[in-house]
Amino acid sequence: GAVVSQHPSRVICKSGTSVKIECRSLDFQATTMFWYRQFPKKSLMLMATSNEGSKATYEQGVEKDKFLINHASLTLSTLTVTSAHPEDSSFYICSASPTQGAEGYTFGSGTRLTVV
Amino acid sequence: GENVEQHPSTLSVQEGDSAVIKCTYSDSASNYFPWYKQELGKRPQLIIDIRSNVGEKKDQRIAVTLNKTAKHFSLHITETQPEDSAVYFCAASGGGSYIPTFGRGTSLIVHP
Repeated sequence: GAVVSQHPSRVICKSGTSVKIECRSLDFQATTMFWYRQFPKKSLMLMATSNEGSKATYEQGVEKDKFLINHASLTLSTLTVTSAHPEDSSFYICSASPTQGAEGYTFGSGTRLTVV
Repeated sequence: GENVEQHPSTLSVQEGDSAVIKCTYSDSASNYFPWYKQELGKRPQLIIDIRSNVGEKKDQRIAVTLNKTAKHFSLHITETQPEDSAVYFCAASGGGSYIPTFGRGTSLIVHP
């Protein structure tokens, strides 16, 4: 089946620094990838849609200057949390679909970000 | 856009009992309904799905039912085991976008 890899799995950073999270599709090409943030009460919140070769599409309320998304190749999307603050601490998950459809929608392994 | 409601938020059962999680959706154009299981600290993983041209689908101890008229679908787990303990998400997609809209999740706890 389709595999989506995410790195790092855990990261601790100091307030004010930036953190980059990578999402890779290992066995398929993904022109579109998605970034989610998961809050402690378990809901999955779609942050943005990452488009290869063009700008990401952000959901309402998500600061695009804070959460920078780059989709430079058909297998890699990155999310950079800039000037991180403790309230940015969360579980971030990416996803992609090899069929570019709902079936086969696969999640990455997630990144636990802690800002101290 | 699509709106998916999921209930209950928490479900506690004894090992061997059945568990039912219910979801409703708002967009009648949605035609694909996956269910995901997420264990603590791990990624959500697809456990079963159903398309709108099917009313029920079963895979061993889990089954999903869909009522298109009422716009609701349910996950049924029989003979629950402690390893079934996890958060379960329903989702709906189709219509204008294939991006799934997720419910808020149900934390299932199976007591041995």
